[in-house]
Amino acid sequence: DAKTTQPTSMDCAEGRAANLPCNHSTISGNEYVYWYRQIHSQGPQYIIHGLKNNETNEMASLIITEDRKSSTLILPHATLRDTAVYYCIVRPGNDYKLSFGAGTTVTVRA
Amino acid sequence: GAGVSQTPSNKVTEKGKYVELRCDPISGHTALYWYRQSLGQGPEFLIYFQGTGAADDSGLPNDRFFAVRPEGSVSTLKIQRTERGDSAVYLCASSLVTSARNEQFFGPGTRLTVL
Repeated sequence: DAKTTQPTSMDCAEGRAANLPCNHSTISGNEYVYWYRQIHSQGPQYIIHGLKNNETNEMASLIITEDRKSSTLILPHATLRDTAVYYCIVRPGNDYKLSFGAGTTVTVRA
Repeated sequence: GAGVSQTPSNKVTEKGKYVELRCDPISGHTALYWYRQSLGQGPEFLIYFQGTGAADDSGLPNDRFFAVRPEGSVSTLKIQRTERGDSAVYLCASSLVTSARNEQFFGPGTRLTVL
């Protein structure tokens, strides 16, 4: 059973904010929302994660709705190097493995 | 510092042959993971090591697949009697400790092609 639902693909303009949605309507109270991305021919790279509160780091911001059934990853100023597959993953706090879905293929265009 | 490295980067073999794929994790990382990624799909968990022991091998598809980590550092994924369906990119990741953050650092992968 898929734990997350993401759009298959999306285009973004270089220099603009990119907002990547993720639905996780069956999330449990002890499950975190993780985002990883995978640039072509590379391994996945951790971006950010959160439980209930919004989070921000040097790469992105994560906005989680109050009911925790969905979230949005925000890349504030997309660059061409942000072109990648972005994976939204729900993972229990005491678990270790990552369950990747198909992700969203994000293409940043000049 | 150095990231996770995997060798070889590419491996072409014939159906029925035996292959070994190597992973060098980040120094000091106690947790090591193997994933497999088929074309157009996200990575799929295979096995997890904490130290020298395989804490969870539930993702290994069958008994042709085996992995070891004898000294708690380098790990080798071994595939016997390879089949064409084993063709995929095999990814290795490591992390410092298993924790809520669980930031896994991935290597570039080994692309295995079984002819």
